[in-house]
Amino acid sequence: DAKTTQPPSMDCAEGRAANLPCNHSTISGNEYVYWYRQIHSQGPQYIIHGLKNNETNEMASLIITEDRKSSTLILPHATLRDTAVYYCIVRAINNDMRFGAGTRLTVKP
Amino acid sequence: GAVVSQHPSWVICKSGTSVKIECRSLDFQATTMFWYRQFPKQSLMLMATSNEGSKATYEQGVEKDKFLINHASLTLSTLTVTSAHPEDSSFYICSGKGLLADSYNEQFFGPGTRLTVL
Repeated sequence: DAKTTQPPSMDCAEGRAANLPCNHSTISGNEYVYWYRQIHSQGPQYIIHGLKNNETNEMASLIITEDRKSSTLILPHATLRDTAVYYCIVRAINNDMRFGAGTRLTVKP
Repeated sequence: GAVVSQHPSWVICKSGTSVKIECRSLDFQATTMFWYRQFPKQSLMLMATSNEGSKATYEQGVEKDKFLINHASLTLSTLTVTSAHPEDSSFYICSGKGLLADSYNEQFFGPGTRLTVL
């Protein structure tokens, strides 16, 4: 599976949008972009995934560039409970999930 | 999404003893289960993958005789840490993948088990 690069940490003000970038320049045509997050001492929580179109659900939006070499996870109105480590994972449909270092997002009041 | 549970949520044991951690898929049949380990301030590292009824496949560097994995049914996998030592203290997370009508072959994660070996 393609490797991903994320900033190690980000801050966001409560109530503002949090935009988390991810680079995956070696992504293959059959690989999806997944986002998970992990709140301290809990298991990873699925957020969203996409192939090439932008996706939105009740938690977040996923914007994938046209060349699919990067993506951005958007939390539209961050709350203190969104403080977590966010993982961007690229994988083909039948492969297992392998986690990188992720981005530690801190939402501040 | 589907639910995966783990038991116990935390365990403290003496060095040299064995500890069993259970992972259950509550509302789906997990044809494949994964076990991860996470040390403090680090990411999750895949330890092994198991398909129901088959032997587990271990990642490089993971001792199969130390970390015994059993996946005897479509809803239960167990990880036994044999002769545990303090360096085995970690957060162990399981994940299940199965055939769900509305999933893209997703993996669903358990809440994790914190093991502390004294």
